[in-house]
Order: sequence, then C-alpha cells, then structure tokens
Amino acid sequence: AQKITQTQPGMFVQEKEAVTLDCTYDTSDPSYGLFWYKQPSSGEMIFLIYQGSYDQQNATEGRYSLNFQKARKSANLVISASQLGDSAMYFCAMRDRPGGGADGLTFGKGTHLIIQP
Amino acid sequence: SAVISQKPSRDICQRGTSLTIQCQVDSQVTMMFWYRQQPGQSLTLIATANQGSEATYESGFVIDKFPISRPNLTFSTLTVSNMSPEDSSIYLCSAEEGPKQYFGPGTRLTVT
Repeated sequence: AQKITQTQPGMFVQEKEAVTLDCTYDTSDPSYGLFWYKQPSSGEMIFLIYQGSYDQQNATEGRYSLNFQKARKSANLVISASQLGDSAMYFCAMRDRPGGGADGLTFGKGTHLIIQP
Repeated sequence: SAVISQKPSRDICQRGTSLTIQCQVDSQVTMMFWYRQQPGQSLTLIATANQGSEATYESGFVIDKFPISRPNLTFSTLTVSNMSPEDSSIYLCSAEEGPKQYFGPGTRLTVT
C-alpha cells in the first residue's frame, strides 16, 4: 500500500487564486513528520514546509500553510495568492520518525501545478 | 537552513563505466541520504549514510552497485557503478537539520 498519496496529477490555477494540493498518508507510527517540496524544471528540490505529528498548530511558512488533519491522515498544502513562479512539481513526503533517526523520506507521486496569467 | 552542493551537476557517461557524485554540506550533520529520481518519477531513497558506519541500503539497492562513502560530518559520495542506460536519473543528496531535511541541487546523469 502506498504510504503517501497525491491524487492530483496536474492542476491549472489562475494567478492570485489560492491553491490546495492534496496529500494523504498512511502510517502506524504515532511519531512522524510530513514535508512538502517544490521541484521546478531545473530539478532542485526546494523545502517548503514541515509538520510534526505532535505539533498542535498547523505549520506556516510565508505564503505556504499545511492543513494538517491527523484523524483523516491528511496533510494538504495551501498556497495563498498564487504567482506565476509557483508553477512546478510539488511533492508530499513523510518520515516515520520526526525526531530524527535513520529513516529517509517516502515521497508521493507529485502534483504538477501550472499557474495561468 | 543547511546549504548543500553537489558535483557534478550533470554528466553523460558510457555504459559500463562508473561515476562518483560528491555532496558537500555547509555545516556538520549526522545523517545524509541519497535519492534517485528516474525520468518523470518521484524520488526513491537509495541509502542512508551515517558518519562512522556503513551505509544502510533500501530494498532494491546494493552496495556493489551504489557504494557510498561518508568520511566526515560534512561530506559524502555516491558511486554509480557499471552503468547502464537504466541508471539515467537525477541523483540527489540530502541532509537532516533538526527534524527538517534539505536537498542538494541534484546530479543529472545520462548513460549512453
């Protein structure tokens, strides 16, 4: 079974609108971390936001916020006031041990976001 | 946040040869990771490199094909050995800083 599911292969959004990218996850570990990365066509992986499973508040980083619904195992990324430069692939990822440790990240298949003027 | 560099940024190699990719972090980190991203795909973890111990490989990846070194807390190398066209991918290293994980810019490898 997939640990990270991103159900939107592609999205077209009008500039300045808010965007929600979906991510659901599956883990039996009570301690885990959730990540979102942006990958433009250059190929680099840009860290956007992190949410620990024990964090009480939803994470925010500038225009990015993570809508964390633990009971639903959902970690959607919200981008406010989208810009043309937001066009890229977006990956949701999970580590099952948020305090650090030997585990790397498991990635979803990604969502290709295109912002239209 | 940790700043990570990789060399080379890209390369075109002949099948049967080997390529060593270098990863440098601007601060000391305990854990470093190597990932592969095949064309049009997501990232897959190859191995975890902990300084002072052997790398831990994920299922489907073996040390003979992807030997890894981790000589100190700021540096790691990944070698792609006896390359075939199926090894054409982006190879990315990453490092943990607290609970977060940051990536290098990647090495785009084409095997002909």
